[in-house]
Amino acid sequence: DQQVKQNSPSLSVQEGRISILNCDYTNSMFDYFLWYKKYPAEGPTFLISISSIKDKNEDGRFTVFLNKSAKHLSLHIVPSQPGDSAVYFCAASGGSNFGNEKLTFGTGTRLTIIP
Amino acid sequence: SAVISQKPSRDICQRGTSLTIQCQVDSQVTMMFWYRQQPGQSLTLIATANQGSEATYESGFVIDKFPISRPNLTFSTLTVSNMSPEDSSIYLCSVHRQGALNTEAFFGQGTRLTVV
Repeated sequence: DQQVKQNSPSLSVQEGRISILNCDYTNSMFDYFLWYKKYPAEGPTFLISISSIKDKNEDGRFTVFLNKSAKHLSLHIVPSQPGDSAVYFCAASGGSNFGNEKLTFGTGTRLTIIP
Repeated sequence: SAVISQKPSRDICQRGTSLTIQCQVDSQVTMMFWYRQQPGQSLTLIATANQGSEATYESGFVIDKFPISRPNLTFSTLTVSNMSPEDSSIYLCSVHRQGALNTEAFFGQGTRLTVV
């Protein structure tokens, strides 16, 4: 049972344009969401997170939107740069103490930025 | 940010043997998490390791196959026992910590295991 889904396994975007990566979840107990970027031969690195009390969080070129009623979140990268080419995972956590809660990951979307 | 040193970074092992993966964190943490990423798939949690108690395993993972040690608050090991080719994966350790703006999960660089 895949509780966090990324339905697009790959996405190609022109440099300078907006990249939009989507993520859906099924577990209504999830209340904290994170996006990670992963390069080959490296561990995932944290990008941005959002709590369920918000519907938007922005950090530089990265913005995450959360639609709780639709159980959907998206990551917007603008402008897209060649260094953004990587696999992106969304992850979700439930419970009041994230420090001790496990993460449930989506299957990932491979983003390729075309120069 | 947390600095996590994980080793080995990769290994090729014969079936039937065991491999122990080490994870060292630069400061004390309560929980350490061990994940597996099989080829083309998502990261799947194997177990959660709390210092001073037995690890808690997720459905589909058992202690006999993936014994975990957590001798102190900065170190943990995961052993992949009696390996078969199906165990070929990337194994990652992770810790959660408060970052500058958010609570974040930090990962080691991963161990790429190939079983032949």
